[in-house]
Amino acid sequence: EAQVTQNPRYLITVTGKKLTVTCSQNMNHEYMSWYRQDPGLGLRQIYYSMNVEATDKGDVPEGYKVSRKEKRNFPLILESPSPNQTSLYFCASSQTGKLAPLHFGNGTRLTVT
Amino acid sequence: KNEVEQSPQNLTAQEGEFITINCSYSVGISALHWLQQHPGGGIVSLFMLSSGKKKHGRLIATINIQEKHSSLHITASHPRDSAVYICGAGGTSYGKLTFGQGTILTVHP
Repeated sequence: EAQVTQNPRYLITVTGKKLTVTCSQNMNHEYMSWYRQDPGLGLRQIYYSMNVEATDKGDVPEGYKVSRKEKRNFPLILESPSPNQTSLYFCASSQTGKLAPLHFGNGTRLTVT
Repeated sequence: KNEVEQSPQNLTAQEGEFITINCSYSVGISALHWLQQHPGGGIVSLFMLSSGKKKHGRLIATINIQEKHSSLHITASHPRDSAVYICGAGGTSYGKLTFGQGTILTVHP
């Protein structure tokens, strides 16, 4: 089944403890991206990647890192999480070069205390 | 930076009504996305368009490039259409995406 898989679905952590949220897609998509969703602010793009070893900042990249060493994986890294990074996170992927729809993961609800 | 505005923010309708959700953006784009998010659920892509009009079942999406405006129409609305509808604008570099705050639609039986 074609899908974007995020893990974990729920995560509670403490300030400053490094964490990684994984994202994997099995559709051979070139494009992958990360978003956070907050009440009243909607979806905001954190980082995106057009292909392997090609990443770029979205609108809210501060406090986050990403890497794209393989086409299928695009992990989101929080080196030193803070409470203002408590949010619902979504990963998405799509083909590029044409009008291709975004495929979203099921989301990761992160709480930083 | 592209600004994306959606209206209305909240919309309540009776089953069977015709619904329109509007989306305006501030700078040139490569594509316009419409997404659907059910309560507690994930996000599904409804449409991606760069010109004209697209139709899928009871849903129709239109875009006017000159006016920087897109609309999502739902004909013969049904309670299962109750969801948040999100508009997103893809920049000319394609990769960067900016989304509106979403429109919460509730359709009563």
